Amino acid sequence: GENVEQHPSTLSVQEGDSAVIKCTYSDSASNYFPWYKQELGKGPQLIIDIRSNVGEKKDQRIAVTLNKTAKHFSLHITETQPEDSAVYFCAASKGTSYDKVIFGPGTSLSVIP
Amino acid sequence: DAGVIQSPRHEVTEMGQEVTLRCKPISGHDYLFWYRQTMMRGLELLIYFNNNVPIDDSGMPEDRFSAKMPNASFSTLKIQPSEPRDSAVYFCASSLGTGGIPDTQYFGPGTRLTVL
Repeated sequence: GENVEQHPSTLSVQEGDSAVIKCTYSDSASNYFPWYKQELGKGPQLIIDIRSNVGEKKDQRIAVTLNKTAKHFSLHITETQPEDSAVYFCAASKGTSYDKVIFGPGTSLSVIP
Repeated sequence: DAGVIQSPRHEVTEMGQEVTLRCKPISGHDYLFWYRQTMMRGLELLIYFNNNVPIDDSGMPEDRFSAKMPNASFSTLKIQPSEPRDSAVYFCASSLGTGGIPDTQYFGPGTRLTVL
């Protein structure tokens, strides 16, 4: 089955700097890659996703890149703010609503004011 | 919309007791998921339903765990008997699942379960 790895497990950055989180997946059939943000005491919330027919996607300060050949994808957050502090999960799925979404272990991001 | 509703938010029980966690998905969503989150194992999918029918329960840890979805607006996750290693945060999530394309999963606030 699919296995998703994520690095680093913890990340501290100064406010205004960029943060990068990297993930790899094992199943070459996976073609849907969402990213979720989990704030303390809350459930995860989707922040951005990318499908395999796209190499990069941006939404304001957040961008995701996908390299299907290497089976890895990354989350980039620019101009980080204290409210970006949270746990971020990458995930992978084979891309139909019937398929499971497999989550990575998470990255705890701290943005230092 | 109120989002996914879970109850209770916190549950403290003693080993051996039965625990029932409840979930109300977002109205109109066809998929419902139960996850367990621990520091050691991260976010694990336990079971998911499509149109009230269990599709994949391979993540259910053992026979002590059971889940039901009697109708489109309600699901339960039951642990009987509970054990200290079941202590975790349990999340319910729902999604639309239209057109065979994966949809955003909307998570509830979770139930923090402590088994003493």
